[in-house]
Amino acid sequence: EAQVTQNPRYLITVTGKKLTVTCSQNMNHEYMSWYRQDPGLGLRQIYYSMNVEVTDKGDVPEGYKVSRKEKRNFPLILESPSPNQTSLYFCASGGVGTPTGEQFFGPGTRLTVL
Amino acid sequence: LAKTTQPISMDSYEGQEVNITCSHNNIATNDYITWYQQFPSQGPRFIIQGYKTKVTNEVASLFIPADRKSSTLSLPRVSLSDTAVYYCLVGDIRGFQKLVFGTGTRLLVSP
Repeated sequence: EAQVTQNPRYLITVTGKKLTVTCSQNMNHEYMSWYRQDPGLGLRQIYYSMNVEVTDKGDVPEGYKVSRKEKRNFPLILESPSPNQTSLYFCASGGVGTPTGEQFFGPGTRLTVL
Repeated sequence: LAKTTQPISMDSYEGQEVNITCSHNNIATNDYITWYQQFPSQGPRFIIQGYKTKVTNEVASLFIPADRKSSTLSLPRVSLSDTAVYYCLVGDIRGFQKLVFGTGTRLLVSP
């Protein structure tokens, strides 16, 4: 089954404790992206990657890191999480050049930073 | 990237047709218009996409006037399960760079 998976789905942590949220897709997509969603602010893009070893900042990259060493994986790293990074995070992927440019989203990771 | 403007919320009743309009005055020649649907605590899901005139699939229709400065997503005979947030995106489908979702339109369908 074609899908985007994220782990963990739920995470409660404390300020300053480094964490990684994993994202993996099995559709051989070139494009992958991370979004955060907060009440009243909609979905905001954090980082995106157009292919392996190619990453770029989205609209809210501060406090986050990403890497794209393999085509299927795009982990989101919070080196020193802070309470303002409490949010619902979504990973997405898409096939560059596909007719519709459709993005496929993961199930989300709800992060709470105390 | 063309900025979009949508109503914050809309209310409807089961069985009615719902039309959600999106304004995108600065749409570029290479931009397509794409709509996504999002249920609470789930990731957005692609609904429909178009470039001009009308596009229809099993879920919705998309109407785009000749000047392409706006578009209308039409949901025929909505049901309670259509209660969701609907996002209009405008961008060049040849790439995904910095796609902006915005805050979307929250549709509430009542019995």
